[in-house]
Amino acid sequence: KQEVTQIPAALSVPEGENLVLNCSFTDSAIYNLQWFRQDPGKGLTSLLLIQSSQREQTSGRLNASLDKSSGRSTLYIAASQPGDSATYLCAVSPMNRDDKIIFGKGTRLHILP
Amino acid sequence: NAGVMQNPRHLVRRRGQEARLRCSPMKGHSHVYWYRQLPEEGLKFMVYLQKENIIDESGMPKERFSAEFPKEGPSILRIQQVVRGDSAAYFCASSPPSLLTDTQYFGPGTRLTVL
Repeated sequence: KQEVTQIPAALSVPEGENLVLNCSFTDSAIYNLQWFRQDPGKGLTSLLLIQSSQREQTSGRLNASLDKSSGRSTLYIAASQPGDSATYLCAVSPMNRDDKIIFGKGTRLHILP
Repeated sequence: NAGVMQNPRHLVRRRGQEARLRCSPMKGHSHVYWYRQLPEEGLKFMVYLQKENIIDESGMPKERFSAEFPKEGPSILRIQQVVRGDSAAYFCASSPPSLLTDTQYFGPGTRLTVL
């Protein structure tokens, strides 16, 4: 049974710092891994999608890596800004389409101005 | 192409009433998923539907909850006789027909408050 864990649960860093959010999963048989952002009172926004054959994806100040063999993914945020404050969710899609996407509980990020 | 639409965005019900949540998938998408996010918890899968079929309802509570995705119109998540514990954010996601898993596109969610 796939389990997704995100550490830390909450993180506060001063503006301008680089930071790393961690995601681990127990079953390496995944189709892809996604990182989402969730703002209070709003739906999920997909940030980066990494296919199982890929090792990383980049979008602007965001970089996500995937190490399937060790069951880990990281989301790197460069030069953090107050607008980056949100909850970041990691989600794993299984190889079997009949199975469901498994989400972590998220990391609540607060960027201090 | 409009994204996944959910309405209402906010819904308040008293205990014992019925709640109906609607989800219109993206154009061309025939797969719909419903998720529930309880306060302080991660998203939890509820049900996966294709047009006129329930594919996987393993995450649905056994009683009071039902879902449908008719041939025409939006997908509906229905909660009968709501209780306070049903208060949560309910997210719908859609994906295109594909033999392989694909990105799910999420709607903004419906926040249900049961008084």
